[in-house]
Amino acid sequence: DQQVKQNSPSLSVQEGRISILNCDYTNSMFDYFLWYKKYPAEGPTFLISISSIKDKNEDGRFTVFLNKSAKHLSLHIVPSQPGDSAVYFCAASARDSNYQLIWGAGTKLIIKP
Amino acid sequence: DAEITQSPRHKITETGRQVTLACHQTWNHNNMFWYRQDLGHGLRLIHYSYGVQDTNKGEVSDGYSVSRSNTEDLPLTLESAASSQTSVYFCASSDSGTPRRGQFFGPGTRLTVL
Repeated sequence: DQQVKQNSPSLSVQEGRISILNCDYTNSMFDYFLWYKKYPAEGPTFLISISSIKDKNEDGRFTVFLNKSAKHLSLHIVPSQPGDSAVYFCAASARDSNYQLIWGAGTKLIIKP
Repeated sequence: DAEITQSPRHKITETGRQVTLACHQTWNHNNMFWYRQDLGHGLRLIHYSYGVQDTNKGEVSDGYSVSRSNTEDLPLTLESAASSQTSVYFCASSDSGTPRRGQFFGPGTRLTVL
């Protein structure tokens, strides 16, 4: 049973517009959520995280929103740029499992010129 | 600059052979992890270690082993390679107790088992 789900395998967005990537989870014990970005032939790189005690965290063009009641988080990228084309992974962790990461399957974001 | 490296980057082997993938980090992190990435599955945890002489099984540990003799290295061994182990393997490391920064990843090793 997947505890972290990214239901959109791919997403195509016009350059300059907003990209919204979604992630759902089932385990209410998760207390940290992270987004990673991955280019082909490279390892994932950390992008942004949010604690379960917050509902929003912002870092430049990237904002993550957390809706605990819906067990849903989203990553907003504004404005989208060509270099944002990558696979984005959502991951979650819990203190009682020593913050091991549970990963979603990823969403491939394509930014169109 | 601190980094995490993996070798080899690409490996082709035959069924039944023993294969070892190397992982070396200079972050001085206590925690190290091995994942495999397959289409539609995201990253799945194979083995992990929270310090020297500590190793633990992850979600998909069958057919794999690790050892941790120092802080910097966590080699992953496939005891008898199988075609189902064809995958991309990532090593990662992290600080203890800093969940908000997540894990730092190596560039990956693409393994093909024929």
